[in-house]
This record gives sequence, C-alpha cells and structure tokens, in this order.
Amino acid sequence: EDKVVQSPLSLVVHEGDTVTLNCSYEVTNFRSLLWYKQEKKAPTFLFMLTSSGIEKKSGRLSSILDKKELFSILNITATQTGDSAVYLCAVTNSNSGYALNFGKGTSLLVTP
Amino acid sequence: GAGVSQTPSNKVTEKGKYVELRCDPISGHTALYWYRQSLGQGPEFLIYFQGTGAADDSGLPNDRFFAVRPEGSVSTLKIQRTERGDSAVYLCASSPTGGSSTDTQYFGPGTRLTVL
Repeated sequence: EDKVVQSPLSLVVHEGDTVTLNCSYEVTNFRSLLWYKQEKKAPTFLFMLTSSGIEKKSGRLSSILDKKELFSILNITATQTGDSAVYLCAVTNSNSGYALNFGKGTSLLVTP
Repeated sequence: GAGVSQTPSNKVTEKGKYVELRCDPISGHTALYWYRQSLGQGPEFLIYFQGTGAADDSGLPNDRFFAVRPEGSVSTLKIQRTERGDSAVYLCASSPTGGSSTDTQYFGPGTRLTVL
C-alpha cells in the first residue's frame, strides 16, 4: 500500500523566517508528487514534480523531488502571515489511475 | 473564470437519513474526483469520473455511497443510511482531461457533512 508521510505535523515560525516542509513516500510505480496549500477548505495547487521535472520555483516557494531517496521538500522563504495554512503532499502511481494519495499535511502558523 | 463549486457548503443530518452532495466542475473539464477529509487528515480518494462513467470507484467505503455524473458535468455524491462516522468534509476536484500524468486537479471548497 502506498504511503505518504509529512513532517513536521505542525510548525510555528516568525514572519521573515525560512521554512522547510518534508514529504517522504513509498509508492509502487511512482508517477508524480504534488503540493497543495489548504487555508480554509479548498486545497489550492502549488507544484507538480515528476521524473521530468524535479525542481520547481514560484516566487518565495520552491520544491525539489529526490526520486532516489523518495522524498520531496517544500521551501518557503521570507514567510508572511498569509502563508499560514496546511500544506498537503500527494502522490500518484500508474496503477491507481489519477487518484491523489495524500499525507496528513503540515500545519504552518506564521506569527507577526 | 469560475472554479469548482460545491453545494451545500454545510449539511447537518440525522443518523439514518439520506443525503446528496453536489459538485459543479470547471467548465470543459472531463475528469471529476470526489475525496473525503476527516479532521486532522489529508483528503482520501473516493471515486473518479471520466466523462459520464466512473473510471475508478475503488475508494468508496461501502455500498451506502454512490455517485453519478449523468451528463458528464455536474456530479452528485449520494450517501444512504448515514452514520456518525460519515461526518467529514467532502471535496470535489476536476481536471482538464484526467488522462495525462501532468493533469492538475483543482478543488472545490467542499461540503462539511455532520451526522448527528
């Protein structure tokens, strides 16, 4: 059975700090890894990482995928209070269609 | 443009009742997904539609859960004889094709179901 483990489960930082969120996975026939940000209810898409795209960056957010060690990290630099959210990591595999298999998420709180 | 919408946003029902949850995907998206999220957990896959047909319903927990998408756009998730353990946020997502490894799923705001 596929496994996605995120760490830490929760994190409190001060505005301006840099944070690193971790996602490790065990997936048969890995296809892709995705990061989502969930503030209230709707998860919003951040990045998709695949074999052909193992590093992504958008503004203060960046992510890398290590397919050998089976993990991904999400970095947020110069954090702002608006970054406070739950960050979800999900994987897909070739056997289960396009269903997303999520981890439990990391709850990030950025204090002023 | 309009995103994925879900109605109602909140639903409170009594144990044993029947409920229907509605999802309106992004216009033109052929793939539609239902997930369930319990408190403190990530979303858990329930069912995936490609057009009108359920391409993968392996995540439905039991036969009390059923979903339809008769015209290939709006979908309804139906839960019979609700139980307290069904209480969760039910999320719907859609994606343009569902047939590509780079297809991105876009989520709606969810329906919070509470079974008393």
